[in-house]
Order: sequence, then C-alpha cells, then structure tokens
Amino acid sequence: NAGVMQNPRHLVRRRGQEARLRCSPMKGHSHVYWYRQLPEEGLKFMVYLQKENIIDESGMPKERFSAEFPKEGPSILRIQQVVRGDSAAYFCASSPGQPTDTQYFGPGTRLTVL
Amino acid sequence: QQPVQSPQAVILREGEDAVINCSSSKALYSVHWYRQKHGEAPVFLMILLKGGEQKGHEKISASFNEKKQQSSLYLTASQLSYSGTYFCGTATYNQGGKLIFGQGTELSVKP
Repeated sequence: NAGVMQNPRHLVRRRGQEARLRCSPMKGHSHVYWYRQLPEEGLKFMVYLQKENIIDESGMPKERFSAEFPKEGPSILRIQQVVRGDSAAYFCASSPGQPTDTQYFGPGTRLTVL
Repeated sequence: QQPVQSPQAVILREGEDAVINCSSSKALYSVHWYRQKHGEAPVFLMILLKGGEQKGHEKISASFNEKKQQSSLYLTASQLSYSGTYFCGTATYNQGGKLIFGQGTELSVKP
C-alpha cells in the first residue's frame, strides 16, 4: 500500500518565481489537507480539499496561494511570486473523509526561497 | 484557536515515564496525536474521540477529558526511539476534518 506521496521533496526558487507542490493521496482517500510548517514551529492548517472542491481554505494567505484537487491527478498547491517568508516545509495529509478518520501525512516538500 | 501543549520540552532517561498535555478552549470532537522526528513527516500515534473511543498505538496510551477539553498522552518505559516532537491536533464541531495543532512538545530520551 503506497502512502501519501509528495513531490518534489526539495524545491529551490528565487524570489518572484512560482512554486508548484504536488500531493497524491493514499489509495481510497478522497480528502486532502495541506499544512505548512515554518522552521522550528508547529503545523499550520492551510486548506482542505475533496475531489474538484475546496472545502475550507481559511488557512490560506489571501494572495499568491491557491490549491486544487482535480478529478484526475494529484492535488496541487501553487505559490506565485514566492518571497523568502514562504520558505517552509509543506505537508499534505489524506484521509477517507470522516472527522474521526486518521490523517496520514506525506513526506513533505521543503521549499527554499533564495 | 490553537490548543496549548505542556510541557514545552522534557528530557528523560531511558525507562522513565512522561505525560504530555493538550488543552483547548473549544468543545472538541476528537484529539489526534502525532510524533515528528527532525526533518521527517509527522507519524500518527492515536485518535481519541468524544465518547471515549480510542484508536492507535499499542504501547502508548492517552486520555480525553471531555468536560475539561483536555487530552493527555502517556509514554511509559520510554525508549530512545520515543525522542521527537509530539503534536496534538484537535478537531471541533462544524470544522470538517481539519486539525488545529498545538505548538508541540519536544521529548528527548537519553541513554
């Protein structure tokens, strides 16, 4: 059973470039969550998606950040015009869907903005 | 609102016990515990549900006090592999499945 997959594992961007982070949930999971972890800090909720729907984006910055989970393919977190403050580990988690279900985390994408 | 974890850090000798607490000001539906080692992904340990049901790790126990909106994670006879940062994630009613995580408790187990 493959776990949650994320790629790339490491991403380096210069200020002003775009970053695209991909997440493939575990087989049978239709719910995807994105969390951000700044260096030496905890996990902060960003967005919760189901296939073709954004359920809760209350943790997303208002500008430059967007997320999608298309009918086919992985979930994408997109950061436009990256700034140094975007440097962080971005984790994706997936679950079957109920609030009582376990969320399994992927290995994360570590974004470094130069 | 973010749950509050205590202590922030703890150092143990192998074989000693530890308790990590997680308190919320909101009515909780479930509490999820994870352990994260440096540079790695959080690993699921346990879920505690309103009503007393627990799902998770055999060697780790936890409690959930619904009246106080507080959960405690009990680590007994600690091993070196228990070292890491422990996070509680809380789910409240009407917020779907998203988890709000505490700031973490750093646990170091020394030989």
